[in-house]
Amino acid sequence: GDQVEQSPSALSLHEGTGSALRCNFTTTMRAVQWFQQNSRGSLINLFYLASGTKENGRLKSTFNSKESYSTLHIRDAQLEDSGTYFCAAEAPGYQNFYFGKGTSLTVIP
Amino acid sequence: GPKVLQIPSHQIIDMGQMVTLNCDPVSNHLYFYWYKQILGQQMEFLVNFYNGKVMEKSKLFKDQFSVERPDGSYFTLKIQPTALEDSAVYFCASSLEASSDYTFGSGTRLLVI
Repeated sequence: GDQVEQSPSALSLHEGTGSALRCNFTTTMRAVQWFQQNSRGSLINLFYLASGTKENGRLKSTFNSKESYSTLHIRDAQLEDSGTYFCAAEAPGYQNFYFGKGTSLTVIP
Repeated sequence: GPKVLQIPSHQIIDMGQMVTLNCDPVSNHLYFYWYKQILGQQMEFLVNFYNGKVMEKSKLFKDQFSVERPDGSYFTLKIQPTALEDSAVYFCASSLEASSDYTFGSGTRLLVI
């Protein structure tokens, strides 16, 4: 089964509002990375976390390895935030990231 | 920031032919990866590569697949022979250390016909 469960699968936000995306892990992970995949298919690296919380502009991410989850908060959503957001997590002893199925975000004017 | 370049961006190839996908990783990175994404689906790990060797590979990394990085040039994924189900976007990534963030390329869109 999937080691990374991402929710919601799809989300619509009005400009200026915010929400949170979440990834639950079925096993202990040592790091998580969040990406935005834009309309051209390119993957943009948003955050890499081994623990704790990081913030960058309107985005904030938290990784709690003990409770096996990570979140990505978006505030004051803008049209250019539309795209698919993926979390990817790395398990101890492995050297690759397992991806979630993504959250398709649409920001509405 | 530093980029991973993938060449070509698109490739159409006849089933049964060989294809080589090229990746120019971030210059000081030591770990290299290939991922496969079928349209609209999640990214699936194929293989990682360090110090001239495959470290891990998934079930998706079929016998027809091979990777190499001769003399520090491009990190390549070769598929020989190709099959229809190999149609996908192939992403290359690199990282400085085994446990550090990945930088992804923009992908090569492969269509096998």
